[in-house]
Amino acid sequence: GENVEQHPSTLSVQEGDSAVIKCTYSDSASNYFPWYKQELGKGPQLIIDIRSNVGEKKDQRIAVTLNKTAKHFSLHITETQPEDSAVYFCAASRPPVGTGANSKLTFGKGITLSVRP
Amino acid sequence: NAGVMQNPRHLVRRRGQEARLRCSPMKGHSHVYWYRQLPEEGLKFMVYLQKENIIDESGMPKERFSAEFPKEGPSILRIQQVVRGDSAAYFCASSPPGLGYEQYFGPGTRLTVT
Repeated sequence: GENVEQHPSTLSVQEGDSAVIKCTYSDSASNYFPWYKQELGKGPQLIIDIRSNVGEKKDQRIAVTLNKTAKHFSLHITETQPEDSAVYFCAASRPPVGTGANSKLTFGKGITLSVRP
Repeated sequence: NAGVMQNPRHLVRRRGQEARLRCSPMKGHSHVYWYRQLPEEGLKFMVYLQKENIIDESGMPKERFSAEFPKEGPSILRIQQVVRGDSAAYFCASSPPGLGYEQYFGPGTRLTVT
């Protein structure tokens, strides 16, 4: 089955600097890669996603890049702010099979991002 | 537009009791997923349901765990005869009908087994 690994496990940056979080996946059939932000005591919040037919996607201060050949994808946060401090999870899923219109997500273990004011 | 709703938010059960976790998907969403999160871990898939159908239960433990998503009402994750190892945060996600991929998560139910 799919295995998603995330590294590093913790990251500390100065406010205003950029943060880059990397993930690798093992299943070459995976074609959807979302990123979630989870704050303490809350559920994961979808912040950006990318499908395998594109290499990069950007939304304001957040961008995601995908390298299908190397099977890794990265989250880039520019001009970091203290409110960006949270746990970030990457995930991957394959195309749906059978009667389902969707597929399960396989998550990495998460990275704790700390933005120092 | 309300998001995914889960209740209760916190649930305490003694070993051997039953736990029932409820999930109401976002309005218009017909797909529901349950994930479990252990402390310091990522989320692990348990089950994927559509109305009245279990699509993928490959992550569900073989015993004591069951899930349903009836035609009317919320999705229910049921854990019978709970043990301490069941203590975790249980998250429900939903997605719209059709070939969509985005899954939107609820706030979770934190189950503690004493």
